[in-house]
Amino acid sequence: DADVTQTPRNRITKTGKRIMLECSQTKGHDRMYWYRQDPGLGLRLIYYSFDVKDINKGEISDGYSVSRQAQAKFSLSLESAIPNQTALYFCATSDGEEKLFFGSGTQLSVL
Amino acid sequence: GDSVTQMEGPVTLSEEAFLTINCTYTATGYPSLFWYVQYPGEGLQLLLKATKADDKGSNKGFEATYRKETTSFHLEKGSVQVSDSAVYFCALSDRSGGFKTIFGAGTRLFVKA
Repeated sequence: DADVTQTPRNRITKTGKRIMLECSQTKGHDRMYWYRQDPGLGLRLIYYSFDVKDINKGEISDGYSVSRQAQAKFSLSLESAIPNQTALYFCATSDGEEKLFFGSGTQLSVL
Repeated sequence: GDSVTQMEGPVTLSEEAFLTINCTYTATGYPSLFWYVQYPGEGLQLLLKATKADDKGSNKGFEATYRKETTSFHLEKGSVQVSDSAVYFCALSDRSGGFKTIFGAGTRLFVKA
């Protein structure tokens, strides 16, 4: 089983819909991150959490929210999806030693 | 703020050719530097890292040296294989940035048999 699991793998939704992307990890790491990947832009940080009670905005948090339900679970929500949120979304974890461990990604399309 | 700039792709090489992917960075502190690789349909995985000036990171035949004087961390491999076809990301993590990892735009590599 994967150490960092993202669900769903693919999602197509319509403009204005609420959608949640989920991430769970079995690595026992405190730090969790949400990134989005766009062609030519690399990965940009949306939100990050250093423990269950700590939530921080990244460089592109507008239009997104997160919930850290437990050490192992970190979900990303789009309250009202818009087409420019179409992207590949990655969850990652870290043990504080700087190395990141990534899930396989969720491809989201907003029509 | 901190940033990473890497050469645009795609880079297309024949098998056994020499690979260089350029990466330069801007940081206020003393960052650690990384190369991550993304194979088709997968998440990123760490390829190599260097934590201080003049350190050389290496893995699977890939190498990169942390050059503080030129703020660079170029990725090299002496003889690429078809299986090296992937997207390569240069990245940095800096204590002054709260250890958030900043990524470059990525460079896609195609290796032809």
